[in-house]
This record gives sequence, structure tokens and C-alpha cells, in this order.
Amino acid sequence: DAGVIQSPRHEVTEMGQEVTLRCKPISGHDYLFWYRQTMMRGLELLIYFNNNVPIDDSGMPEDRFSAKMPNASFSTLKIQPSEPRDSAVYFCASSLTSGSPDTQYFGPGTRLTVL
Amino acid sequence: KQEVTQIPAALSVPEGENLVLNCSFTDSAIYNLQWFRQDPGKGLTSLLLIQSSQREQTSGRLNASLDKSSGRSTLYIAASQPGDSATYLCAVTTSGSRLTFGEGTQLTVNP
Repeated sequence: DAGVIQSPRHEVTEMGQEVTLRCKPISGHDYLFWYRQTMMRGLELLIYFNNNVPIDDSGMPEDRFSAKMPNASFSTLKIQPSEPRDSAVYFCASSLTSGSPDTQYFGPGTRLTVL
Repeated sequence: KQEVTQIPAALSVPEGENLVLNCSFTDSAIYNLQWFRQDPGKGLTSLLLIQSSQREQTSGRLNASLDKSSGRSTLYIAASQPGDSATYLCAVTTSGSRLTFGEGTQLTVNP
């Protein structure tokens, strides 16, 4: 298996523009997670899905952020409009079962820079 | 709210040394604890997962222990190598599938 796939790997955009990050989970995994990593706040869970349904979006910072999972093999995280403080590395992860006993497998991340 | 703390924030050791990384968490009601490795510019790789009912897990030169009642875990690395240089992150799973991460320990192993 190719692992969790994220695109793009790097994104540079200007403030106010819409940004869409994409994720393909490992085939057969029924949980998908979106994380954000910054120097100031470390790794934070933004939202996670089970069987394509959002379960916990309490980590989504504000209404400018939205996430969808239209099918089991694809998810998007959208920021509209983007702001400089959104600059971070965004990770997608997937797992086969919740919590115990399985682990989460992380993608390589998308490094977002908002100018 | 669960909080995870890792000590030290950075560690530099000569090759061959045995070392211990520390992790503490405030809420002992966890499902499991995981140790991850992150290389610069890369994603996270899971190293060890300890269930809440377990005391330790071993993989090669790595050994992780868990004392749930005191809210502590340690990652022991034996005979460290330059290839072990990376950031090591501790994370606990609490309600649902929510992972809470520590800020990591940046390890440098010098040849």
C-alpha cells in the first residue's frame, strides 16, 4: 500500500485566497483525521471522520475552515478565506479502528504558507 | 482537558549511549499511549503503542513503559545511533479517537 497520500506537498498563497488540501487514506481504513502542526501550538487535531461522517470537529479553529469526505477514499480540508496565521503543516492520518488497539498512519503533510 | 508534557525539549548525546525520554499526561483516563518519530519535513511514524492495560512494549532497541495511575511514560532507546536523530512525540488517546500530543523531544545523536 502507498500509505496516506496528501496533495499538494507545498502550497503558497496570498491572504484572502481559497486553499484546498487533499487526502487519500489507506484503503480499508474507516477513520480519517486532519491535524495542524505549528511551532507555537504543536500538533492539534482539527476534525476526524468515521465511515465518511464527521464525528468531532471541535478542533476546527473557525468557520473559515471546512472539511468533507465525499467517499471512503478522499477527503478535503478547505480554508476560505486564508490568513497568514493559517500557515502551518497540515497532516492527514487514517486508522482501521478507533482508539484501541490500532494506530494512526500519517501522511507526509502539506506545508501551507499564506503571505 | 488532557495535557501532555515531554521532557526534555531537546537532547544531544554521543553515539552508543542509552537514553530515556519522558512523557507525562494530566488525565489518566486514556485508551492508549503512542510514541511517534518525526523526521524534519516528514510525517509521523508510529514506533510503539501501549494499551491502557499494558505496562510496556518493546521493539528492537526501543522500550516504552506506561504508568497510567501516575500519568507517566518513558521511551528508552538503547545503544543510540546517529540515525535515531529525530523528534520524538508522545500522544495519548482519550475520548473517542482523539489523540493529544506532547510538544516533542528533539534528539540529536552525534557520531
